Amino acid sequence: DADVTQTPRNRITKTGKRIMLECSQTKGHDRMYWYRQDPGLGLRLIYYSFDVKDINKGEISDGYSVSRQAQAKFSLSLESAIPNQTALYFCATSDAGTASNYGYTFGSGTRLTVV
Amino acid sequence: GQNIDQPTEMTATEGAIVQINCTYQTSGFNGLFWYQQHAGEAPTFLSYNVLDGLEEKGRFSSFLSRSKGYSYLLLKELQMKDSASYLCAVRDLSRNSGAGSYQLTFGKGTKLSVIP
Repeated sequence: DADVTQTPRNRITKTGKRIMLECSQTKGHDRMYWYRQDPGLGLRLIYYSFDVKDINKGEISDGYSVSRQAQAKFSLSLESAIPNQTALYFCATSDAGTASNYGYTFGSGTRLTVV
Repeated sequence: GQNIDQPTEMTATEGAIVQINCTYQTSGFNGLFWYQQHAGEAPTFLSYNVLDGLEEKGRFSSFLSRSKGYSYLLLKELQMKDSASYLCAVRDLSRNSGAGSYQLTFGKGTKLSVIP
């Protein structure tokens, strides 16, 4: 099984619909992140969480919300999807502090299309 | 803030050597990472540099100069499967969450095409 699992892998939804992307991890990492990736723009941070009680906005949080249900689970919601939220979404995890020499571990991604 | 620059695209021939450069500006540098990402897939870890110098790992090597804010990824004996995007990422102290946050910021990636 994958260390970081994202569901669904692909999703097509209509404008105005609410949608949730889920992420779960078996790494035992405290820190979890949501990124979106668009061609030519790279990975951009949406939200991040350093533990269950900690939620922080990233550079592009407008239109998104998150929930850290447990150490292992971090979900991303689009309250009212719009077409420019069409992108590839990645969940990632990391160790606290500088102990890790591997940076982040990424999930396989969710390709979201808003029509 | 941070600024990470790398070329958008590169093309190289199978069997050759290619060097992908990355320059960065950051106030609290704590390490530089290179990731490989095939189209539509997750980024995967390639290398990590925190001290100046060259780290070699098989066909891939990564170099860091902290004083120049510069790194490169060197790929030798290129294979067709090396066609992918290569992401440079810098870890530093977060301005928003205090000391010890150590987040990664990613460059936009370099798309490498290996041709026969």
